[in-house]
Amino acid sequence: DVVMTQTPVSLSVSLGGQTSISCRSSQSLVHSDGNTYLYWYLQKPGQSPQLLIYKVSNRFSGVPDRFSGSGSGTDFTLKISRVEPEDLGVYYCYQGTHYPWTFGGGTKLELK
Amino acid sequence: EVQLVESGGGLVQPGRSLKLSCAASGFTFSNYYMAWVRQAPKKGLEWVATISTSGSRTYYPDSVKGRFTISRDNAKSSLYLQMNSLKSEDTATYYCARVAEGRGFAYWGQGTLVTVSS
Repeated sequence: DVVMTQTPVSLSVSLGGQTSISCRSSQSLVHSDGNTYLYWYLQKPGQSPQLLIYKVSNRFSGVPDRFSGSGSGTDFTLKISRVEPEDLGVYYCYQGTHYPWTFGGGTKLELK
Repeated sequence: EVQLVESGGGLVQPGRSLKLSCAASGFTFSNYYMAWVRQAPKKGLEWVATISTSGSRTYYPDSVKGRFTISRDNAKSSLYLQMNSLKSEDTATYYCARVAEGRGFAYWGQGTLVTVSS
């Protein structure tokens, strides 16, 4: 199975600040069809997860441009700029390239 | 507006069975792959099953393969998860999700809690 390793496990950030989360996969996430099925989700406290970024760098509908994704192969990054209170929660990366589809362990974003 | 509403969770003894349902609305259900994702208490997310638009293809991780069966009724815009031979490690909130944007889970339900305990 593809192991998705997120760092750090937790993160403290000031409102209005900028931060980033790293996600590394145990093998390349480039699919034979040429796509890289790497996604980012945010789970706010008490809520279901919500999709932020799909296929590495595409923002999902309604996601503000403060969120950006980048990376390739096995190394990926989610950047959050101008952090707002509603950005707090647990962030998960996820790969849909190889079965079984797998999630990272999560990164908890808290206020400093 | 896309809505996914799960039901059927509850307390069940180890070794018993349970069937979850998910009622979908706000989109053409038959056009989308659908999936189940679970989250054990205070833990991370785990993909459980995916089904193709027609229901002819299904996919599972080894942790549930042979015990869980995903199915759908496109006429009723409904998704199901039949869970047999339940174990304590199956205790989790189970989310129904619409697969989109390639292989991502674009929309999620609110989840239904399954507790496996004697």
